[in-house]
Amino acid sequence: NAGVTQTPKFQVLKTGQSMTLQCAQDMNHEYMSWYRQDPGMGLRLIHYSVGAGITDQGEVPNGYNVSRSTTEDFPLRLLSAAPSQTSVYFCASSSPPANTEAFFGQGTRLTVV
Amino acid sequence: GDSVTQMEGPVTLSEEAFLTINCTYTATGYPSLFWYVQYPGEGLQLLLKATKADDKGSNKGFEATYRKETTSFHLEKGSVQVSDSAVYFCAATKTSYDKVIFGPGTSLSVIP
Repeated sequence: NAGVTQTPKFQVLKTGQSMTLQCAQDMNHEYMSWYRQDPGMGLRLIHYSVGAGITDQGEVPNGYNVSRSTTEDFPLRLLSAAPSQTSVYFCASSSPPANTEAFFGQGTRLTVV
Repeated sequence: GDSVTQMEGPVTLSEEAFLTINCTYTATGYPSLFWYVQYPGEGLQLLLKATKADDKGSNKGFEATYRKETTSFHLEKGSVQVSDSAVYFCAATKTSYDKVIFGPGTSLSVIP
């Protein structure tokens, strides 16, 4: 019963490097989202997707790209890492209607030096 | 815009104390309301939810009632345990779209 799987769990990047955070779910959920969690700021939505081939921006999209080529996978790409992107990143998935719960991955702790 | 507000933490309680964490929302229409819990080093998981006015969600001794007149969804537990130490997030979703709006989270520490 995998649920939502995020990899890696920890990552250290140098400023300017790029990388992809992976997220996969095996529940056939249509909706997937990426959040970042920072102290005192709760969770902020980066990008989300309502289905394969469809993505949209959340409240803090700058510096991140996403794609949704399959229902299962929703990778998050950091184009040129900056120290301000040091955070814990969570992927979540859910299905309509909107009153159903979201399932979260274990998170990726990213440090940019 | 839509938002969720929670009481600021951190909150420290002794074991068996009564817990209240306040949550209010601002949204057009009638959102579904949730409490999620995040234990140390883990992702968020659903604690309870309510989908319409006057609904009461409950789980693991926690309760919250959807109060439309005060736009609130306060979390309560009559007797907290050390194992309840975690961060609690109030959240809302609207029926017309899928994005979850989270409050800032409230950190709870329960001491023996």
